[in-house]
Amino acid sequence: GNSVTQMEGPVTLSEEAFLTINCTYTATGYPSLFWYVQYPGEGLQLLLKATKADDKGSNKGFEATYRKETTSFHLEKGSVQVSDSAVYFCALGLGNTGKLIFGQGTTLQVKP
Amino acid sequence: SAVISQKPSRDICQRGTSLTIQCQVDSQVTMMFWYRQQPGQSLTLIATANQGSEATYESGFVIDKFPISRPNLTFSTLTVSNMSPEDSSIYLCSVGGGDEKLFFGSGTQLSVL
Repeated sequence: GNSVTQMEGPVTLSEEAFLTINCTYTATGYPSLFWYVQYPGEGLQLLLKATKADDKGSNKGFEATYRKETTSFHLEKGSVQVSDSAVYFCALGLGNTGKLIFGQGTTLQVKP
Repeated sequence: SAVISQKPSRDICQRGTSLTIQCQVDSQVTMMFWYRQQPGQSLTLIATANQGSEATYESGFVIDKFPISRPNLTFSTLTVSNMSPEDSSIYLCSVGGGDEKLFFGSGTQLSVL
């Protein structure tokens, strides 16, 4: 079946540190992959996406590359800020159904 | 992008009662979904709300427990029926934004005593 596994949190970093949040997936076919972010007190927002192998999604300094050979979509940022503190969800899309399957979420806390 | 208004934002309910959650979108959308986010867990799709027909439920969710209405392309409701403490969750409305993207409402935080 289809599933998404994320590294467990919480992840606590100092400002300007390098961030990696691991995400691996299991899917039939060739799904699109997404990272969503949920800031405190807000709804989920799309952070970035990639639709095929070797695509790189990027936004707000975050990047993730669709790696078919390792079935991974790890989220990275070179220098995190306190404002990046949030919960990050990796997800895969099931094509025209419009449905997404989410990972369990990883809480990131960035300290000044 | 779509702006989604969800009401109520939070509620505390007694066991055995029902709560109806409303979702209003600022534009007509074809795809509308209801998700549940249990404490400390990920989002799980409850059902797809279909305009003019019965909702399509995911495995583990049934219409008697989570009846859904979708009277038009901008509005839907989810009812959580005969609640128990296990129903305490955040319930999220989302709409398809094209290109497999989803927009989410800010959610309804439900606590059942």
